[in-house]
Amino acid sequence: TTLTQSPAFMSATPGDRVSISCKASQAIDDDVNWYQQKPGEVVLLLIQEATTLAPGIPPRFSGSGYGTDFTLTINNIEYEDAAYYFCLQHDSFPYTFGQGTKLDI
Amino acid sequence: EVQLVESGGDFVQPGGSLRLSCSASGFTFRDYPIFWVRQTPGRGLEFLSAISRSGDETHYAASVKGRSIISRDNLKNTAYLQISGLRLVDTAVYFCVKQSHSTGWYGFDLWGRGTQVTVS
Repeated sequence: TTLTQSPAFMSATPGDRVSISCKASQAIDDDVNWYQQKPGEVVLLLIQEATTLAPGIPPRFSGSGYGTDFTLTINNIEYEDAAYYFCLQHDSFPYTFGQGTKLDI
Repeated sequence: EVQLVESGGDFVQPGGSLRLSCSASGFTFRDYPIFWVRQTPGRGLEFLSAISRSGDETHYAASVKGRSIISRDNLKNTAYLQISGLRLVDTAVYFCVKQSHSTGWYGFDLWGRGTQVTVS
């Protein structure tokens, strides 16, 4: 399953709302997770099973979608949200990742 | 502290072999499947291999199938990935990751910091 993630780069201002898209080449139910990666830090799980907020993640992060279209939304963006974001499909092997989105604030 | 720590990354000549290790702490290691993934600036993230809790089920990406072996020692809380026939394109940061659920196959909820493998 190919995951097409967009955009590759985006810039936002504190307080903005941004959305990142992942489109699957075939239906994968809700088997999508979203992650945040910052230089020098451990990768952080944000959203699992497309819509479930991971423990400890602020509620300004949310996920939506089912089947082939999935979206990560960040409301009221903060400076600390500057990072690389990527999606993962775990519906079937081989698991695959989106190409990633670099978010500048 | 709940963590995964990779080791074993190195500079290797083409055709060489490496064994990467993943040491787990802070959770019941034997209860969770473990995966290896890698990341490069040009190709992004790539699934490599997965192993079930007991080690009786494994999965491999086509890119490493036949030249890699994933294993685990639940007494030592450690997982391994041995790769042979290393190629220039295997140059990457290799991550060990823990599955979020103890049964079935799901995504990951814990990542290590990664270990650098350079084939040159």
